[in-house]
Amino acid sequence: DIVMTQSPLSLAVTPGEPASISCRASQSLRHSSGYNYLDWYLQKPGQSPQLLIYVASTRASGVPDRFSGSGSGTDFTLRISRVEAEDVGVYYCMQGLQTYRTFGQGTKVEI
Amino acid sequence: QVQLVQSGAEVKKPGTSVKISCKTSGYIFAAYYIYWLRQAPGQGLEWMGVVNPVDGGTSDTQKFRGRLTMTRDTSTSTAYMELRSLTYEDTAVYYCARDKLDYYNGMDVWGQGTTVTVSS
Repeated sequence: DIVMTQSPLSLAVTPGEPASISCRASQSLRHSSGYNYLDWYLQKPGQSPQLLIYVASTRASGVPDRFSGSGSGTDFTLRISRVEAEDVGVYYCMQGLQTYRTFGQGTKVEI
Repeated sequence: QVQLVQSGAEVKKPGTSVKISCKTSGYIFAAYYIYWLRQAPGQGLEWMGVVNPVDGGTSDTQKFRGRLTMTRDTSTSTAYMELRSLTYEDTAVYYCARDKLDYYNGMDVWGQGTTVTVSS
C-alpha cells in the first residue's frame, strides 16, 4: 500500500496571506501516461469532501485560481495564494495510482 | 446537474448488516466508476472499494473482504454498498463518489454522506 504523509497537520492562516501544505508518497505516483496521480480534496466543516486538484496540478471545475498544485514523483504541494475565510477545513491529499486509494492524514486549516 | 444522492441515516445493532444506496443523476451512469469511502468520527477518509458500472466488477480492500458487497442497478443508475457483521468500529459517515472510467479525473462529485451508527 502507498502511504501518504502530510505536513503540517494543523495550520493557522491569516486572510490575504499565502499558505501551503506538503504531501509525500511512499512511492512514486508517476503513471505510465506521464501524469502524477495525486489529488487534493477539501472537506469544509459539516460537508462532503470536494475535489480541488487532480493529476497533481490540474484544478477541478469551478475551483478558484488561488489554489494551485505542484510536484512530481513522491513530493507534492498545495498552495493557496491568498487565503480567504471560506478556505477553512481539512485538506487531504490522495494517491490514485493504485486501485486501493490512500489518503494523507489531513491538514486542518483555521483562520 | 450532476448529483449523487445517498440513502438516509441508519442505526444498526452489532452483528447486523447495512445497505446504502447512491442514486446518480445528470450524467451517463456507465461512464464513471462509483467509489465507496467512509469517515469514522473525528477521523480521516478511508477508501473501501469501487464498482465498475459497465460490468459490475468490484475491487475492495483486504480489510473489508468477506463483509463488503458493492452492486449497481443500471436501470435506475443507482449503486449500492452492503456491509455485514457490523461492529462498533463501523460507526462512520459513508460516502459514494464518482471517477471517470476512461481517464483519470479525480473523484469530482460526492454524495452527501450516510451516517451509520452501530449501537446495542
